[in-house]
Order: sequence, then C-alpha cells, then structure tokens
Amino acid sequence: GDSVTQMEGPVTLSEEAFLTINCTYTATGYPSLFWYVQYPGEGLQLLLKATKADDKGSNKGFEATYRKETTSFHLEKGSVQVSDSAVYFCALSFSGGYNKLIFGAGTRLAVHP
Amino acid sequence: GAVVSQHPSRVICKSGTSVKIECRSLDFQATTMFWYRQFPKQSLMLMATSNEGSKATYEQGVEKDKFLINHASLTLSTLTVTSAHPEDSSFYICSARSQLGTDTQYFGPGTRLTVL
Repeated sequence: GDSVTQMEGPVTLSEEAFLTINCTYTATGYPSLFWYVQYPGEGLQLLLKATKADDKGSNKGFEATYRKETTSFHLEKGSVQVSDSAVYFCALSFSGGYNKLIFGAGTRLAVHP
Repeated sequence: GAVVSQHPSRVICKSGTSVKIECRSLDFQATTMFWYRQFPKQSLMLMATSNEGSKATYEQGVEKDKFLINHASLTLSTLTVTSAHPEDSSFYICSARSQLGTDTQYFGPGTRLTVL
C-alpha cells in the first residue's frame, strides 16, 4: 500500500546549521507531497507542498523537491533557528476523492543556541 | 484564514462514559473533515473521513460504533468516543478541507483524552 518513510529523530542541531530531513514514499500513481510542522502545544501546519515531479515547494526558508526517480521529498533549510524546533511530518495524498493524507512517523528537530 | 478549532482541548473521563469532541472550521466551509488519532511520539493515523450530510467512511480497524462521527453542517463535525476505556486515551486531531476543493487540509490543535 501507499506509505511514507521518514528518517528517525530526534535531530539535534546548533543554530545556523544546515538541516536535511529525509522522506521517501511508496505510492501507486503520482501523489501530491507535503511537509507539515507541529510546534509544541499546537496543531499541524502546512509548511510546503509539491504536486508534481520536479516541483519545488518552499516556505520560511525551507525547501523540498519532488523527485520521482528516487521517490523522495527531502526537507532542507540552509540555516536553522531555535524557533524551528518542532516535529516535522512528511505526507502524501492523491487528488480527487477525499484527498486522504498518509503521514510519515514524524521527525523531531531540536535546535540549540 | 483557514482556522480550525477543537473543543475541548483536554478532557479526563471515567471508564465507561462517552466523550464528545467538536471540530469547527471558523472562517471557511468544509465539505470534508478528517479525524486522526496520534499516539505519543508517533504519527497521525486516519480514523475516518466525514462529509457533510452523509455517513462517515471509517478506516480499516476503526470501530464505527465506538467512534461516532457526525458532520451536521459545513462548519462542524463531532467525534463521540462511546463507552471509553483507558486504551482510548490518546490525542485526537481533526482537519478540514475547504469547499473550494483544494487538496490542502487545515488542522485543529487537537484534543487530549485521558480515560481513567
């Protein structure tokens, strides 16, 4: 079945370090891909998305490129801040129908000053 | 825009009682709402999909008689956990998809249920 695999956390970085969180997917067809972020005590927020191969989603300095050949959607940021500390979820869905989201397990990021 | 609220944010109940959780889209109309369950340090697992005015579609392994879902209007869906037991303790999260038909879901802040 369709699934999303993320790198296990926690990921601990110093401020201004480079961030990569790996995400790969298995899907029959061509899904849309998403990164959601969950800050402590808050609900999930859409961080960025890409709807087709080679699309790059970007927001708040974060980027991810939809790579069909490697079935990946890795999240990157050039210089993280303490305020980026959160749990990051990779997800996929198919357009049409109810757009059911399938989530990865989440990766906790902790950024220290 | 695109705010989703949940009420209550936390609830503690005794085993055997029923608990109702509300999910509201505050500034948009949602034809479809989703209910998820999140265990500690784990991902969200979809429980059911509800559409306004029709019966919810439950995921495999989710007991529809235990988790009653009602989507009575375009801005409100409710999840009722009936005859709750300690194993039902979890974080329940709803999301809503706009009537405009985009593939983006907007999430509520979640409800922490603790069954004693």
